[in-house]
Amino acid sequence: QQQVKQSPQSLIVQKGGISIINCAYENTAFDYFPWYQQFPGKGPALLIAIRPDVSEKKEGRFTISFNKSAKQFSLHIMDSQPGDSATYFCAASIWGQNFVFGPGTRLSVLP
Amino acid sequence: DAGVTQSPTHLIKTRGQQVTLRCSPKSGHDTVSWYQQALGQGPQFIFQYYEEEERQRGNFPDRFSGHQFPNYSSELNVNALLLGDSALYLCASSFGTSGSVQQYFGPGTRLTVT
Repeated sequence: QQQVKQSPQSLIVQKGGISIINCAYENTAFDYFPWYQQFPGKGPALLIAIRPDVSEKKEGRFTISFNKSAKQFSLHIMDSQPGDSATYFCAASIWGQNFVFGPGTRLSVLP
Repeated sequence: DAGVTQSPTHLIKTRGQQVTLRCSPKSGHDTVSWYQQALGQGPQFIFQYYEEEERQRGNFPDRFSGHQFPNYSSELNVNALLLGDSALYLCASSFGTSGSVQQYFGPGTRLTVT
C-alpha cells in the first residue's frame, strides 16, 4: 500500500531527445508527488512536484504528468542534455510526511 | 545561506558497534527527517523530528534512535550495528510538517559496517 513503483530501471537517451520516467502508486491518500535528481556522491535535489488536483505541471524542460484515476505519474525531460545524466526518484507523501521513494531510474544522455 | 550539512562524510564501523551521525538543517528550517539509502535503491524514511520530538517513524527497529536539539540540529544513533546497516544516511530539512513540504537533502554520510 505504501509502495511506489518506478520504471524503467535505466534509460539511455540521445542528446536532444525526450526522457520519460513513469511511477505508479496504490495509496490514494498520497497528496504530494515530488521528483528528485541525484548525482553520484550527492543528496537528492528536488526537481519538480505536483499535487493530485493538477494534471500537468511544467518547469523549464521538466514536466510532470499526473493521472489520478490510473494512480500514475510521469516525468518528461525535454531536450535532454548530457548534464541531465543522473538518477531520478519519484516520491509520494501524505500531508508532507513520511515520504515514500521509488527505486530510482538511472538516466544516461549520450552526447 | 548554508544548506543542509551532515557529518561525518564517511564512517567505517565494526559489527556490534554504535554510531552517531549529525545533521544541521538549512537556515530557517525546523524539521529534520532521516533516510537510509542502500546502494542502488531509493531512500527509505527512518523518522522525522519536529519540536525536539519524534513525530513520524518508518519501518526501522528500535536500534535506530534520534534526537533533535533546540537549535533544530539532529543526531541519528544506530546501536548494535549489522552488516546490513551499511548505506548512505541522508538528512533532509524542511519548514513545518504538513502540506506540500519541500525537503532539502544533505550530501549524506556513507556508513560502512565491516
